[in-house]
Amino acid sequence: DVKVTQSSRYLVKRTGEKVFLECVQDMDHENMFWYRQDPGLGLRLIYFSYDVKMKEKGDIPEGYSVSREKKERFSLILESASTNQTSMYLCASSDLNYGYTFGSGTRLTVV
Amino acid sequence: AQSVTQLGSHVSVSEGALVLLRCNYSSSVPPYLFWYVQYPNQGLQLLLKYTTGATLVKGINGFEAEFKKSETSFHLTKPSAHMSDAAEYFCAVGGQAGTALIFGKGTTLSVSS
Repeated sequence: DVKVTQSSRYLVKRTGEKVFLECVQDMDHENMFWYRQDPGLGLRLIYFSYDVKMKEKGDIPEGYSVSREKKERFSLILESASTNQTSMYLCASSDLNYGYTFGSGTRLTVV
Repeated sequence: AQSVTQLGSHVSVSEGALVLLRCNYSSSVPPYLFWYVQYPNQGLQLLLKYTTGATLVKGINGFEAEFKKSETSFHLTKPSAHMSDAAEYFCAVGGQAGTALIFGKGTTLSVSS
């Protein structure tokens, strides 16, 4: 069964900390995505990547960066976490036939 | 640019009643359209998708949706609601295959007995 694995289900960090959210897929997909999900706002695209070492900004990239050094791994980085980044973060990958697979999500709380 | 509007953040139906969740999209290219469901404390699960071909798409759990280009709509329906259908539903639009999906804000479906 194909999988997108997010390293942590729940995470609590302090304001100002550097935070890494990790995502790994085992489907050899070229494309990977990071979204954040907030009540009443749906899923909003933060960053995406179509290839190793490539990245594109989504709709809400401010305060975030990403890294894709290997095809299977796509990391989301919060350089200096703030309370308004408390959210559910979802990683996804896709093939070129509209097959999207989502991870289970990381619920991040910044205190 | 693409966008999705889901009409109604909350829909309530009785068990056995028709479910209708509305989705309108905007896209400058031929759209690819999706409906996802999210149960409490779970991830997103694909209900159905439209890419090309038949405009009436059947999905899992008895749901279906019809792509209407003239109305820029992709409404989700189910003839008879079940208690287990209570969840949050998201409509999404994509352009080229493999590109990022743009999601609506979601509709919470409540089902009462």
